[in-house]
Amino acid sequence: DAGVTQSPTHLIKTRGQQVTLRCSPKSGHDTVSWYQQALGQGPQFIFQYYEEEERQRGNFPDRFSGHQFPNYSSELNVNALLLGDSALYLCASSLFWDRGRRGEKLFFGSGTQLSVL
Amino acid sequence: AQSVTQLGSHVSVSEGALVLLRCNYSSSVPPYLFWYVQYPNQGLQLLLKYTSAATLVKGINGFEAEFKKSETSFHLTKPSAHMSDAAEYFCAVSYNTNAGKSTFGDGTTLTVKP
Repeated sequence: DAGVTQSPTHLIKTRGQQVTLRCSPKSGHDTVSWYQQALGQGPQFIFQYYEEEERQRGNFPDRFSGHQFPNYSSELNVNALLLGDSALYLCASSLFWDRGRRGEKLFFGSGTQLSVL
Repeated sequence: AQSVTQLGSHVSVSEGALVLLRCNYSSSVPPYLFWYVQYPNQGLQLLLKYTSAATLVKGINGFEAEFKKSETSFHLTKPSAHMSDAAEYFCAVSYNTNAGKSTFGDGTTLTVKP
């Protein structure tokens, strides 16, 4: 049973460029959440996708956008990259509904380390 | 609004000693609380969760945490540290069991000395 997989593992971009990160959720999961983890800090919630729609969003600018595909995989896009976007980007999958309740258990991927020069 | 404060960015214990990692939360509604562990170059792994059932929660690898509403705390403990426990630990809070939208603390790095 494959867990959450993210690609690529590392990425180097320059300011102003655009980047796309990819995530495949754990088998059977239908919800994907994206987090940004800056060095020395905890993960910060970017947004969550379910049924191919953005359901929740954290305090991130519109430069951050996403997509979810019918197979539940997801992409995170960041436009006009800034130096401050350098971070580890984590994807987490879960079940939106789990036995009649909202899904409580997140499974994280190993992340994509983005460096903006 | 919800927030999490982890007291102590670095904790060092000897192998076999008690592990205590502190977490205080702020939430305007009953919280759902989580502890995660992150090993180098890996994603976060759920250790345990509190979702309004028993206040003493047991997790994996011998860890447990106690929810204390009066103290707004959810400290993580383990009676006897093992070298393999060395990692970074994150406390998180969310609303309505939507764990996907969690607010995380800044983490505590646990070092275990032989």
